[in-house]
Amino acid sequence: NAGVMQNPRHLVRRRGQEARLRCSPMKGHSHVYWYRQLPEEGLKFMVYLQKENIIDESGMPKERFSAEFPKEGPSILRIQQVVRGDSAAYFCASSPLGHEQYFGPGTRLTVT
Amino acid sequence: QQQVKQSPQSLIVQKGGISIINCAYENTAFDYFPWYQQFPGKGPALLIAIRPDVSEKKEGRFTISFNKSAKQFSLHIMDSQPGDSATYFCAESTGTASKLTFGTGTRLQVTL
Repeated sequence: NAGVMQNPRHLVRRRGQEARLRCSPMKGHSHVYWYRQLPEEGLKFMVYLQKENIIDESGMPKERFSAEFPKEGPSILRIQQVVRGDSAAYFCASSPLGHEQYFGPGTRLTVT
Repeated sequence: QQQVKQSPQSLIVQKGGISIINCAYENTAFDYFPWYQQFPGKGPALLIAIRPDVSEKKEGRFTISFNKSAKQFSLHIMDSQPGDSATYFCAESTGTASKLTFGTGTRLQVTL
């Protein structure tokens, strides 16, 4: 059973460009969470999605950030007009119905 | 977000010793307390978890002790090994399928 997959693993963007991060949950998991980890810090919740629905976006910045989990295909975290402060590791986790969340390897975003 | 206080920030333990990491929470509505292990450049991996209706849970060399009245819980790593050297995060959540709130992490180094 493959784990949570994220791509790309590393992403370099110039200020003002768009970043698209993808997450494929584990087979049978319908709940997806996105977290951000700044260097030398813990993980901060961003958004929780189920298929075609955003359940909790209380951790998402109000501007430039959006997320979706379409009926078909991976979940996408989109950052428009990136700034240097967006440089971080972005982790996706998936869960069957329940508490356990299993994390992917992350996407390390660098904004130059 | 609710505060989760984790200590110590870093810990050095000799091989064969016991590593102890502590967390304190504020929100009594939390009902799920996992610990994650993270190696550099990797995603967090679920290590062990507990619910507040039990005071202790053991899995191999890893034990969670839970003190509901003090709102504290701790991770004990028995017979610590150099391969245990990683960053450990405690976390909490409320209700089924809800977001995780993470502690700030403890960097553990196990020396020979």
